[in-house]
Amino acid sequence: EVRLVESGGGLVQPGGSLRLSCVVSGFTFRSYEMNWVRQAPGRGLEWVSYISSSSSHMYYADSVKGRFTISRDSAKNTLFLQMNGLGAEDTAVYYCARSGTYGDFDYWGQGTLVTVSA
Amino acid sequence: SYVLTQPPSVSVAPEKTARITCEGNNIRSKSVHWYQQKPGQAPAVVIYHDSDRPPAIPERFSGSHSGNTATLTIARVEAGDEADYYCQVWDSTTNLWVFGGGTKLTVL
Repeated sequence: EVRLVESGGGLVQPGGSLRLSCVVSGFTFRSYEMNWVRQAPGRGLEWVSYISSSSSHMYYADSVKGRFTISRDSAKNTLFLQMNGLGAEDTAVYYCARSGTYGDFDYWGQGTLVTVSA
Repeated sequence: SYVLTQPPSVSVAPEKTARITCEGNNIRSKSVHWYQQKPGQAPAVVIYHDSDRPPAIPERFSGSHSGNTATLTIARVEAGDEADYYCQVWDSTTNLWVFGGGTKLTVL
């Protein structure tokens, strides 16, 4: 069974940092591209970042470029999102998602909530 | 940047057909994916690669696109189909994934 489990969310002050993790199981992690997607309260989905299977390519939404860094550790079956310079606009549920054969996001975690507030 | 436009809401009676549109410049040249999200749950793909269905998704769900519009069609709508639906494409020009704003499907 494919599973993705996010952690690391919580309350952080504006300007602060947070590191999200996504531990996966049930598939060969090193063979798949991965993504982070977020959803602000009551809002729609926003793609945040992508990393290729070999970590050779990373892409970011304009809203987070220069502040967020995506990475992965295949030995630990874990995807990461390092978030720096957080602002209120970053408050959201953050999901990790696996890229399927056609680029669709075929499996998602349950999400972790990040709240940026003083 | 590439923009996908969806109607904020669609309402349909049970057993009728719901059509949710997703407009984007020359979207027919892109591979479109559709997601269903129920309250408190993570999104789940219902249509990928324009018109393919994951094994667990009923045949009532179908996808199509032409010109500047992609359409998710749900036939014989059931109460359990009530959810938010999002379209998604990859913009190869900018190397960015783009989601539509989402459509809330209400079953009357």
